[in-house]
Amino acid sequence: KAGVTQTPRYLIKTRGQQVTLSCSPISGHRSVSWYQQTPGQGLQFLFEYFSETQRNKGNFPGRFSGRQFSNSRSEMNVSTLELGDSALYLCASSLRWEYEQYFGPGTRLTVT
Amino acid sequence: AQSVTQPDIHITVSEGASLELRCNYSYGATPYLFWYVQSPGQGLQLLLKYFSGDTLVQGIKGFEAEFKRSQSSFNLRKPSVHWSDAAEYFCAVGAGTASKLTFGTGTRLQVTL
Repeated sequence: KAGVTQTPRYLIKTRGQQVTLSCSPISGHRSVSWYQQTPGQGLQFLFEYFSETQRNKGNFPGRFSGRQFSNSRSEMNVSTLELGDSALYLCASSLRWEYEQYFGPGTRLTVT
Repeated sequence: AQSVTQPDIHITVSEGASLELRCNYSYGATPYLFWYVQSPGQGLQLLLKYFSGDTLVQGIKGFEAEFKRSQSSFNLRKPSVHWSDAAEYFCAVGAGTASKLTFGTGTRLQVTL
């Protein structure tokens, strides 16, 4: 079974721009979560979607948003990029929220 | 709110030696507990999980962890470390859900030959 895939793997953007990251979960998984990983703040939860509904949201500004489609694929969007948004963005999927998560390889976002 | 503490930032062990990575959590009820491993430039790989039941859980790559409620701990162990185990290890807790995780700061494992 294919794992979680994330596209693109690497991205360079300029301050003020917006970016969209994509995540395809493992087949059959309906829960998708997003995390931000930085050297300073570590791994932080962004949001979780299940059946196209946001179930949980972390403590991030409104510039960070996401959505989930009917095929469980998910996207996250960051508007008005700041230098501090440079990070590894990880997507994880699971059957449902009671089950363990499996992570994708991440998207490395660099904001210049 | 739940929290996770990994007191060791960096550990160095010799190949073939035993390993124990410490993890303490803070949560009022029985949490979902996980250990993940991350190699440089990679995502997180699930090593093992604890949801309920037997407090000693077995994972992949010869790892095991023991849930001790009285100590609020979930330490990771391996009897004999291999050079390929060098990576960063993260303990994580889920409070009532396994899909909104709070992670520890990680322990970087170095293995000497």
